[in-house]
Amino acid sequence: AQKVTQAQTEISVVEKEDVTLDCVYETRDTTYYLFWYKQPPSGELVFLIRRNSFDEQNEISGRYSWNFQKSTSSFNFTITASQVVDSAVYFCALSEAYVGNQGGKLIFGQGTELSVKP
Amino acid sequence: DGGITQSPKYLFRKEGQNVTLSCEQNLNHDAMYWYRQDPGQGLRLIYYSQIVNDFQKGDIAEGYSVSREKKESFPLTVTSAQKNPTAFYLCASSIPPGIVRNEKLFFGSGTQLSVL
Repeated sequence: AQKVTQAQTEISVVEKEDVTLDCVYETRDTTYYLFWYKQPPSGELVFLIRRNSFDEQNEISGRYSWNFQKSTSSFNFTITASQVVDSAVYFCALSEAYVGNQGGKLIFGQGTELSVKP
Repeated sequence: DGGITQSPKYLFRKEGQNVTLSCEQNLNHDAMYWYRQDPGQGLRLIYYSQIVNDFQKGDIAEGYSVSREKKESFPLTVTSAQKNPTAFYLCASSIPPGIVRNEKLFFGSGTQLSVL
C-alpha cells in the first residue's frame, strides 16, 4: 500500500529560525515521484518541488532545500531563515508512475501547519 | 492570466439536496481532478478526468458525480447520498499526457461546503 506520513501536525517557530518538515513515504514501486505543496490561507495549493525516485540529489531553491533519502524513504523539506510569509500548511505527496496515471493521482500526507511568528 | 476558477467560494447544502461545485480552467489542460480536504487531513481524490467525455472514480467517489462535456469545465455534484459532505473541495488540472509524466498540478482556490 502507498502511504505518506507527515508526523508533525503543527510547528511554530520565530522568524529567522530554520525549520525542517518531515515526510516519510511507503511504496512498492521502484519508479515514483514525490512532491511538496504549500497551502497558504487563501486555500489553493502551490507547487514547490517534484522529484523522481531516480534522482536523489538534494535541491536548494533560495531559502528552501529538500533532502531525499531512498534508504530511509524520506523527503524532508527545510526552510532556512524562516519568514512570516512562510506560514502555511505544507503537504508532501507521492505519485506512482504507472500507465494511465498522468500525475494527478497523488497520495497526500496529512499536512504540517507551520506558523512563523515575528 | 491562466488559471483555475472555482465557484462559489462558500456553499451551503440542506438535507436531501444536491449541490454542484464549478471548476473552470483556461490552461488548455486535458486532465482535471477533484480532491476533498478535511481538517487536519491530507487531500483525497474524488474523481478525475484525463480527456473530454471520460472520467474515472478516485478513492472516495461514493456520493459524488461529475461530467466532462468541455475541456475547460469539470463540475462536481455532491449528491444527497453523500452523508458527510462538509469539507473543502479543491479542483486541479495538469498538462496533457504524453509530454511529461507525473507533472505538477495546478489548483483552484477551493470551495468550502457546509451542511445547514
